[in-house]
This record gives sequence, structure tokens and C-alpha cells, in this order.
Amino acid sequence: GAGVSQSPSNKVTEKGKDVELRCDPISGHTALYWYRQSLGQGLEFLIYFQGNSAPDKSGLPSDRFSAERTGGSVSTLTIQRTQQEDSAVYLCASSLRRSGRPYEQYFGPGTRLTVT
Amino acid sequence: AQKVTQAQTEISVVEKEDVTLDCVYETRDTTYYLFWYKQPPSGELVFLIRRNSFDEQNEISGRYSWNFQKSTSSFNFTITASQVVDSAVYFCALSGGHSGGSNYKLTFGKGTLLTVNP
Repeated sequence: GAGVSQSPSNKVTEKGKDVELRCDPISGHTALYWYRQSLGQGLEFLIYFQGNSAPDKSGLPSDRFSAERTGGSVSTLTIQRTQQEDSAVYLCASSLRRSGRPYEQYFGPGTRLTVT
Repeated sequence: AQKVTQAQTEISVVEKEDVTLDCVYETRDTTYYLFWYKQPPSGELVFLIRRNSFDEQNEISGRYSWNFQKSTSSFNFTITASQVVDSAVYFCALSGGHSGGSNYKLTFGKGTLLTVNP
């Protein structure tokens, strides 16, 4: 079956511009996560969506970052007024969700964001 | 707070050697889950294994084996008879195990770059 897909695969933007990154999770997966991978910080959790529950935004580094998930499926991560330190690979993951234990997260190929 | 330490930044071996990747974790949770992921040069993270804190049995899958020891808070990964295709960055990760609406976000180690030379 289809895995997690992300678009675009690469994005180069000028400092100060807004960017939108898209994630299509695996069909039937109700949990969706965004992570960021950078040389200095490694892999960091950003935000988590589960069904209709309020998202866990505890990992978002600043209020320039926001995300939404429409219809319990596709998610968009938006970064406003991009800064050079936002340059990283943004990874999306999805998983099944049952109370009591975590299922493995399946990751997409990522979006490489470069802020010039 | 949760923390995962992979002390080995890079390891280089020759094909057919055995190699062990170390992972040490910290958590206050009594129930937690440990994972290993592989990130080949193509970039996509690939799930390898999940282990819960109540199951300390070692696991073997082909050339891969995992040694979970709660007493030392370690979850080490061994590749037997390594192959060039095993070259990748390997990440150890930890998530909490609370039931009922919890967030199973992963806390990752910094990763170990394994290079297997022919």
C-alpha cells in the first residue's frame, strides 16, 4: 500500500517568506506527527494530531510555526517569516492509534527546506 | 524528561564483521517503549523494532538482534555478518506508555552512522 507522502520534496525560500509543507498519511492512520531533522539538533518532535482531539503543539519552536490537519487526513505545516535557522528536513509520520500502547510510526521521505 | 543517548557517532566496519550499536535511555515512566529506526542514504526512516518496558526478552530477526536490559537502561542493537547495504544512520528512540489519550511522540538519540566497507 501507499506510504506516507510529503510535498514538496525540496523547497528553497528567501528569508522572511512563508512556506507550507504538506503531508499525506497512510490511509487509516489516525495519529500524525511532524518532526524536524537538522544537523545541530537531530530529530525533534514538533506537533502531534490524533483524531478530533486538540493537537499537542508542545514541540513547536516558535509562534511562527503552525499546523493543521483537515478531515483527519492531510496535514499542512506552515512556517511564517522563515529564518535561516528553520533550514532542516521536515518529516511527517503516521501511525495507528489505540489506547494503551504506541504503534510504530511510519515516516515520509521528508521535505528539505533551505532558507537563503 | 526523556532522553536517549547514542554515544557512538560513527562506526566503520568491514563487511562480515559483527557490530553493536549502543543505546542508553532515561525516563521516569514505568511503562515506556523503545524503538530502532534505520535511515539509509535515501533519507527515509525505516522502522526496525518496538520493545515495551515489560518485555526484556532479547529478539532476533535474521542478522539483527536486540538486547534490552532495564537494569542498565540500555537497548543495544547488533548486526551480525554486516553487509554493505547495512550502511545507514541508525536511531534509537523512546516514547512514553501512558494509556488514554497520551501522546506517543518519539524522543530520538542523535544517531549512529554505520559504514560497512567491502
